[in-house]
Amino acid sequence: DIQMTQSPSSLSASVGDRVTITCRASQSISTYFNWYQEKPGKAPKLLIYAASSLQSGVPSRFSGSGSGTDFTLTISSLQPEDFATYYCQQSYSTPYTFGQGTKLEIK
Amino acid sequence: QVQLQESGPGLMKPSETLSLTCTVSGGSISSNYWNWIRQPPGKGLEWIGYVYYSANSNYKPSLESRVTISVDTSKNQFSLTLGSVTAADTAVYYCARARYNSGHYYFDYWGQGTQVTVSS
Repeated sequence: DIQMTQSPSSLSASVGDRVTITCRASQSISTYFNWYQEKPGKAPKLLIYAASSLQSGVPSRFSGSGSGTDFTLTISSLQPEDFATYYCQQSYSTPYTFGQGTKLEIK
Repeated sequence: QVQLQESGPGLMKPSETLSLTCTVSGGSISSNYWNWIRQPPGKGLEWIGYVYYSANSNYKPSLESRVTISVDTSKNQFSLTLGSVTAADTAVYYCARARYNSGHYYFDYWGQGTQVTVSS
């Protein structure tokens, strides 16, 4: 299985901050890579697919980059509704695997 | 707007067989890939497997001996069966649609999730 490792595991930030979350794959996965946002009691929400494509309806303050083994999710200016847990996921090969999550908390 | 809704028992005993159903509304199940994903308490997300509307399926190898995912196009539903459950199968179970677009595969619609607890 391809292992996905996110960092940091948790992060404290303030409204308006620029935040970057990283994810590393255990082998090269090209751009077969996605990001999701999860809030307590709600289903995960697709933010970014194919490493850098913004899902319809997702605010443009979210962006993704990377290819191969290293990927980043950037939130350009944190809004109150962005405090959540973020997961990366590889779609290069089955079994599809997720990172362990990054919990973004209010400072 | 596509919507997915899981249904099934919330509490089970060890060794029983878990059966969950996902009802799809706002779109046809006769396209795309239909997945089950779970999240044990305090842990991350784990992909279980998918079924394609044509009934082709693919499962996580470590669960393959106990899992079946099937589709019923007449009811616009797909289902998960997981045999011989243990406490390790306690989790929130999500159904999710996956799009396959130019080689990229991503979960674009999810159900709200259903809690399944295995306890004697």
